[in-house]
Amino acid sequence: DAKTTQPPSMDCAEGRAANLPCNHSTISGNEYVYWYRQIHSQGPQYIIHGLKNNETNEMASLIITEDRKSSTLILPHATLRDTAVYYCIVRAYNAGKSTFGDGTTLTVKP
Amino acid sequence: GAVVSQHPSRVICKSGTSVKIECRSLDFQATTMFWYRQFPKQSLMLMATSNEGSKATYEQGVEKDKFLINHASLTLSTLTVTSAHPEDSSFYICSANRDRGSANYGYTFGSGTRLTVV
Repeated sequence: DAKTTQPPSMDCAEGRAANLPCNHSTISGNEYVYWYRQIHSQGPQYIIHGLKNNETNEMASLIITEDRKSSTLILPHATLRDTAVYYCIVRAYNAGKSTFGDGTTLTVKP
Repeated sequence: GAVVSQHPSRVICKSGTSVKIECRSLDFQATTMFWYRQFPKQSLMLMATSNEGSKATYEQGVEKDKFLINHASLTLSTLTVTSAHPEDSSFYICSANRDRGSANYGYTFGSGTRLTVV
């Protein structure tokens, strides 16, 4: 799995958009970008994934640069319940295990 | 859909005893499940890959005789921490493949088990 780099922490005001960056400069052509989050003392929760096109679902949007070397997870209207550690993972479509980096601790403040 | 249930959520055991943690895929079959361990303020570290009907594959540095994995059916994998010691206290999390081969391929995680060895 390609290595990812994320900032260790970020703050966001409640109601504002949270933009979480991830660098994955060594990503391979068959590797997808996955985002998960982990709220304290819970298992990781799947958020979104993509290959090269931007993706949007009910939770978030994923913007992948054209060269695929970086991506940004966007939470459009952050709430206090979005406070969590966010993990960016790159993995082939049919790969097995996931390798977790250190993630970004997002703190949403009132 | 794609729910993974993990039980128990918390367990306290005495040093030297064994503890079994269950991971069930409730609405899908999982030929492969993964077991992770997470220490406080650290990321998830993969311990082993559990394969239905065959032996588990352990990551380097994980003692297979201490962390016994059984994946006897397509919906259940168990992790048994044998002869537990305080240093085994951690948050254990399982995950399972979801919709292999479909467009929405991802992994679903259990809610985790907080093990405290006293």
